[in-house]
Amino acid sequence: DAKTTQPPSMDCAEGRAANLPCNHSTISGNEYVYWYRQIHSQGPQYIIHGLKNNETNEMASLIITEDRKSSTLILPHATLRDTAVYYCIAPHNNDMRFGAGTRLTVKP
Amino acid sequence: SAVISQKPSRDICQRGTSLTIQCQVDSQVTMMFWYRQQPGQSLTLIATANQGSEATYESGFVIDKFPISRPNLTFSTLTVSNMSPEDSSIYLCSGGRGWGMNTEAFFGQGTRLTVV
Repeated sequence: DAKTTQPPSMDCAEGRAANLPCNHSTISGNEYVYWYRQIHSQGPQYIIHGLKNNETNEMASLIITEDRKSSTLILPHATLRDTAVYYCIAPHNNDMRFGAGTRLTVKP
Repeated sequence: SAVISQKPSRDICQRGTSLTIQCQVDSQVTMMFWYRQQPGQSLTLIATANQGSEATYESGFVIDKFPISRPNLTFSTLTVSNMSPEDSSIYLCSGGRGWGMNTEAFFGQGTRLTVV
């Protein structure tokens, strides 16, 4: 896997956008970037993934820089239920390894 | 998306015994993985479950301790053998059609194991 680096924790005000950064400077040209989150005591939940272009779905947007060395996950209107650990992953050769992730706390 | 069911959801076991965890996917998947998550930690990949052949284990995990079966494309089991309190953890199953193929993988809700 390409090594990913994320800040250990972030806070966000409820209703505001949460922007979670991820560095993946060693990513290969054909490696996707995936984002998952894990809410306490639950299995990881898939959020979004992308290769080169920005992606958007009902949960979030993913912005990938042109050089693909970093990306940002955007939760446009964070709610208290978005409090979780968010993992950015760039798998290689079909295995998925998790780093430490970012613990996002959404505050009222 | 795929729905992944794990059984049991939790168990308390005596040291020295073994527990087999089952993972069922509601659709055929190419890849299935087993993870361990210790309290307050991230997920650690144990092994890739290969259909019809021996699992591929990560460094630090061995077949004698964590035997894995995958008889078909929708089912896998992980056995935690000769358990000790250090094996107390959450064990998670994951399945997908392959990471490099622009598809995602999905996770079960995990099996919370306590060894006493």
